Amino acid sequence: DAKTTQPNSMESNEEEPVHLPCNHSTISGTDYIHWYRQLPSQGPEYVIHGLTSNVNNRMASLAIAEDRKSSTLILHRATLRDAAVYYCILRDQADRGSTLGRLYFGRGTQLTVWP
Amino acid sequence: NAGVTQTPKFQVLKTGQSMTLQCAQDMNHEYMSWYRQDPGMGLRLIHYSVGAGITDQGEVPNGYNVSRSTTEDFPLRLLSAAPSQTSVYFCASSFVGVNSPLHFGNGTRLTVT
Repeated sequence: DAKTTQPNSMESNEEEPVHLPCNHSTISGTDYIHWYRQLPSQGPEYVIHGLTSNVNNRMASLAIAEDRKSSTLILHRATLRDAAVYYCILRDQADRGSTLGRLYFGRGTQLTVWP
Repeated sequence: NAGVTQTPKFQVLKTGQSMTLQCAQDMNHEYMSWYRQDPGMGLRLIHYSVGAGITDQGEVPNGYNVSRSTTEDFPLRLLSAAPSQTSVYFCASSFVGVNSPLHFGNGTRLTVT
């Protein structure tokens, strides 16, 4: 019951920028957009999150559309270590009841980085 | 800090056997959850908890039980294992706040024969 849609796979060359898209057309006003990535044989790890404004950290940048119905994770210079499955999820903090904990990851985008 | 610790790392069960997958975190996180990951299926939510004594079902709860008697621990119980439960299981935890990222364990690979 994932609320986000991502392409199944994307490819990039090393040291080139990568733009990973995510559609979340049913996003609510209190949903935060979170991105995680999963390296082979490991658990997912947090990358970045945001609400309305674009966000930057040491790993990536997050660009959020003005209507918030889509977002893009930007890896400025892909490395071989960035090859992973990237997940975009929505986290609603408005309701401390039943919807609070239901975080759906879906299948994510498999990113392949070529040397 | 150890973070999120899952045990065992690997387990093989026969159909009908029971077992408990352990998950412990030392970060005082209120929220804990269990996911299963099958090839090509991504992560699917099994059960989650927003605090001690509070649990709820996710997408695929059938065949699994959970309880949350302490903040630190969130065990996942398989009462009668089935081959369809062969999967990799991940536990995750976080504070209950929008700025709190999920922390994942390294997973338990379960095979049911």
